[in-house]
Amino acid sequence: SQKIEQNSEALNIQEGKTATLTCNYTNYSPAYLQWYRQDPGRGPVFLLLIRENEKEKRKERLKVTFDTTLKQSLFHITASQPADSATYLCALEGMDSSYKLIFGSGTRLLVRP
Amino acid sequence: GAVVSQHPSWVICKSGTSVKIECRSLDFQATTMFWYRQFPKQSLMLMATSNEGSKATYEQGVEKDKFLINHASLTLSTLTVTSAHPEDSSFYICSARDTGGYNQPQHFGDGTRLSIL
Repeated sequence: SQKIEQNSEALNIQEGKTATLTCNYTNYSPAYLQWYRQDPGRGPVFLLLIRENEKEKRKERLKVTFDTTLKQSLFHITASQPADSATYLCALEGMDSSYKLIFGSGTRLLVRP
Repeated sequence: GAVVSQHPSWVICKSGTSVKIECRSLDFQATTMFWYRQFPKQSLMLMATSNEGSKATYEQGVEKDKFLINHASLTLSTLTVTSAHPEDSSFYICSARDTGGYNQPQHFGDGTRLSIL
């Protein structure tokens, strides 16, 4: 079955630095991958979608890469701010392509002022 | 745009009570909605896919008679937790997928925290 792995340990960085979060997957070759942000007690918020034929996608201070050979996506936040502190989830489409998403466990990011 | 409203945001009730949670897409039509369950410090676990006008598709291990899903219109899906017990206490989140293409993101409600005493 599909398996999605994100670093369960929190990432603690200084304001202004670049945060890099990792998403690895196995047993599947998804057509696209998505990243979401979740704040405590709230629902996830969509950030970026990257397709299998795209190596990189950018949106303001966010950058996502997608390496289908390594089966890995990297999520970068440049010039990080304390307001970026949240849990970041990667998600892949279900193997049966029914539009459903399978989520990783998420990585908590803490940006210190 | 793409706002999903979930109601109520918090429910506390006695064991044996049935609880209904509503999920509405406010500014778009959603033929497909999804229901998730999330335990503290864990990821979202998909419970079921709700399809407008047809029966929901449940994930393995999810009791369809326990978690009743109705998707009667293009903007509303409901999840009813029947005869709820303390082990059903969790954070329930819905999402809706905008129509119009394969690679569409999901838009999430803000969740319902259910506490069964």
